[in-house]
Amino acid sequence: QQQVKQSPQSLIVQKGGISIINCAYENTAFDYFPWYQQFPGKGPALLIAIRPDVSEKKEGRFTISFNKSAKQFSLHIMDSQPGDSATYFCAASITSYDKVIFGPGTSLSVIP
Amino acid sequence: EAGVTQSPTHLIKTRGQQATLRCSPISGHTSVYWYQQALGLGLQFLLWYDEGEERNRGNFPPRFSGRQFPNYSSELNVNALELEDSALYLCASSFYYVDLNYGYTFGSGTRLTVV
Repeated sequence: QQQVKQSPQSLIVQKGGISIINCAYENTAFDYFPWYQQFPGKGPALLIAIRPDVSEKKEGRFTISFNKSAKQFSLHIMDSQPGDSATYFCAASITSYDKVIFGPGTSLSVIP
Repeated sequence: EAGVTQSPTHLIKTRGQQATLRCSPISGHTSVYWYQQALGLGLQFLLWYDEGEERNRGNFPPRFSGRQFPNYSSELNVNALELEDSALYLCASSFYYVDLNYGYTFGSGTRLTVV
């Protein structure tokens, strides 16, 4: 019930294309959904976050879509660039002051 | 502003030994979280400390323990090391509350190898 599922495990996208990563959860008590980006040799860094009262949030080329009834959310990276090549983790927590549960991650490679 | 610092960067231990990993949070952050990142398993929550107290614990055996000091730095101790403890151990810090703009700040991790 605490698990966050994520797919695909790996993704290869051409430069300029759209990268889409999907996540799903079971625990309806989750109310904070961040996405983290991790480059090799570095710790993850907060990319964008959303709460379930909003269906979509956009920051630059990154958009989170949230479907509360389906308990699913996704990250869209528009105009993907080679510099976006990294591992992306979706995550969730029950409250703003609880531990964050991470999905297994998606390794994104953007090829020229 | 200095980020989250972890030491050592790499640590090689023999099975059965003890390992101690250290973490210094960002100034002003009171919460420290420890995660294990094993190959292909994502980030598994280990421990959460805030104001010197253990707030939550993940599904790990008691030989994984830690503490938080008055200056909010933290250490993770792993006793009776097993080969499967080999992983990247990440420390993160935050304010007590996270929100849309302020999440965890992670260090670069300690790579623990058990031989």
